[in-house]
Amino acid sequence: GENVEQHPSTLSVQEGDSAVIKCTYSDSASNYFPWYKQELGKGPQLIIDIRSNVGEKKDQRIAVTLNKTAKHFSLHITETQPEDSAVYFCAAISGGTSYGKLTFGQGTILTVHP
Amino acid sequence: NAGVMQNPRHLVRRRGQEARLRCSPMKGHSHVYWYRQLPEEGLKFMVYLQKENIIDESGMPKERFSAEFPKEGPSILRIQQVVRGDSAAYFCASSPPTGGANVLTFGAGSRLTVL
Repeated sequence: GENVEQHPSTLSVQEGDSAVIKCTYSDSASNYFPWYKQELGKGPQLIIDIRSNVGEKKDQRIAVTLNKTAKHFSLHITETQPEDSAVYFCAAISGGTSYGKLTFGQGTILTVHP
Repeated sequence: NAGVMQNPRHLVRRRGQEARLRCSPMKGHSHVYWYRQLPEEGLKFMVYLQKENIIDESGMPKERFSAEFPKEGPSILRIQQVVRGDSAAYFCASSPPTGGANVLTFGAGSRLTVL
């Protein structure tokens, strides 16, 4: 089955700096890669996603890049703000799965200091 | 739209008791997923259900765990004879009939503590 590794486990930045979180996956047939933000006491919320036929996607201060050859994808947050502080999870869906059976990374605790 | 509703939000059980966690999907959603999050870990898929059908239970432990999604009422995740290792946050997600992972909506979770 699919295996997703996420790094770093914790990330501390100053307000205004950029933050990058990286994930690798094992199943070359995986075709969908979402990123979730989880705030304390809440469920994960989808913040951005990318499909395997796209190399990069951007939404305001958030961007995701995908390297299919190397089987890794990254989340980039620019101009970080204190409200970006949360746990971020990457995930992947194995090729051939048409429903929401996600394999999650271990999570990154992002702290943005004012 | 109230979103995915889970209850109870917090549940404390002693070893050997039963835990029942309920999930009401978003309006218009008929597919339900259960995920488990152990402390300081990512979420792990447990089971995928449609009304009255278990579609994929490959992530469910073989014993003590069961899930259902009846024709009427919420989906229920049942854990019998709980042990301390069952302490975790259990998240439910739902999606519409035509959607996949890109339209999953997660609930706020039920946090089970086993004493």
